[in-house]
Amino acid sequence: ETGVTQSPTHLIKTRGQQVTLRCSSQSGHNTVSWYQQALGQGPQFIFQYYREEENGRGNFPPRFSGLQFPNYSSELNVNALELDDSALYLCASSRRGGEGEKLFFGSGTQLSVL
Amino acid sequence: AQSVTQPDIHITVSEGASLELRCNYSYGATPYLFWYVQSPGQGLQLLLKYFSGDTLVQGIKGFEAEFKRSQSSFNLRKPSVHWSDAAEYFCAVARMDSNYQLIWGAGTKLIIKP
Repeated sequence: ETGVTQSPTHLIKTRGQQVTLRCSSQSGHNTVSWYQQALGQGPQFIFQYYREEENGRGNFPPRFSGLQFPNYSSELNVNALELDDSALYLCASSRRGGEGEKLFFGSGTQLSVL
Repeated sequence: AQSVTQPDIHITVSEGASLELRCNYSYGATPYLFWYVQSPGQGLQLLLKYFSGDTLVQGIKGFEAEFKRSQSSFNLRKPSVHWSDAAEYFCAVARMDSNYQLIWGAGTKLIIKP
């Protein structure tokens, strides 16, 4: 049990719709990273938030956006959903500083786009 | 560009047998290296990490990994596997200059024969 919770666990949307995924960080963590994991592949880095600001972004289009709130929880928003957006979306929280960061992952949100 | 290769998509071993999972990376400097495990329906759990120092790293659940700079490898080993080790294993490298954004391999699925 990592203390990182994601909601919802499963979601079905249709192409063109918008979706919001949520993540509650582990207590004491100030950094949230989001990853997309397509079936049979490793996770792909989407972006990271630190102190409510985007702090690094992977190779994802602008229709993928996020927020981090003062309590360090986070949202991932995806607009104009495409079939290829079907994947497991993972949130990871960590505490900035020290020798590297240990990421604590949630169990993910399984998004299906029809 | 940084990349991680896990050459084996599936590996099958008998319970009690030894295990080695391969990981090769491409990175221009000394990398931060990680092994994570993902069980079905679960998030990713950190097994071990290498930042510097001793090239043989001990992790949780009896796993260890050895960093070999000359071979750009970070193979995961366990002397005797248990049925509960059946899962998917991911190797990852962190970009130190990018707030520890992880670049992941495609994973190796470990199957345990009784």
